[in-house]
Amino acid sequence: AQTVTQSQPEMSVQEAETVTLSCTYDTSENNYYLFWYKQPPSRQMILVIRQEAYKQQNATENRFSVNFQKAAKSFSLKISDSQLGDTAMYFCAFMIQRAGSYQLTFGKGTKLSVIP
Amino acid sequence: NAGVTQTPKFRILKIGQSMTLQCTQDMNHNYMYWYRQDPGMGLKLIYYSVGAGITDKGEVPNGYNVSRSTTEDFPLRLELAAPSQTSVYFCASSLAGTETQYFGPGTRLLVL
Repeated sequence: AQTVTQSQPEMSVQEAETVTLSCTYDTSENNYYLFWYKQPPSRQMILVIRQEAYKQQNATENRFSVNFQKAAKSFSLKISDSQLGDTAMYFCAFMIQRAGSYQLTFGKGTKLSVIP
Repeated sequence: NAGVTQTPKFRILKIGQSMTLQCTQDMNHNYMYWYRQDPGMGLKLIYYSVGAGITDKGEVPNGYNVSRSTTEDFPLRLELAAPSQTSVYFCASSLAGTETQYFGPGTRLLVL
């Protein structure tokens, strides 16, 4: 079974600063996908970034980037130039890349507060 | 293009009552999913569908049923509501099984 661990229940960051959210996972699979989803107070789940395990290059999306360390099974999210709108719960999620397996396994989330 | 829509937004049920949570997507996605999110937890998969007429169980299917008669709709049925089903329910869809899943706004259900 796959597990996803987010060790930081809550974090805060000053506006315009940089923050890194941690995520580790456990799997015996070699091919998989990793995701970060954002859930603001509206509860809408919004995809932030996606990483394919076979790609060595770390994914980036504007101010969001990941540090993917496959050997260490680590997938951290870096938010640069934090904005008030980044205040949300952030969930790390994992999916096996295999036909017939479509389940996203989520961590428990990290609550991020951006302080003005 | 509305994406994934869910109704209702919020509902209170009495123990033993039944209800259907509606989910519709207009992106012509083949795959659809139902998740539940309990307080302080991540989402857990209840059921999923890989196309019209095909459904399968996820991690926590007990107490729920689904159907998929069209590509667009994927309703979730609770037959005998129990307090343990108090949760926020999310519907999601994706073009293919390994493609990114897009989520609806959620339905908050309270069973008393």
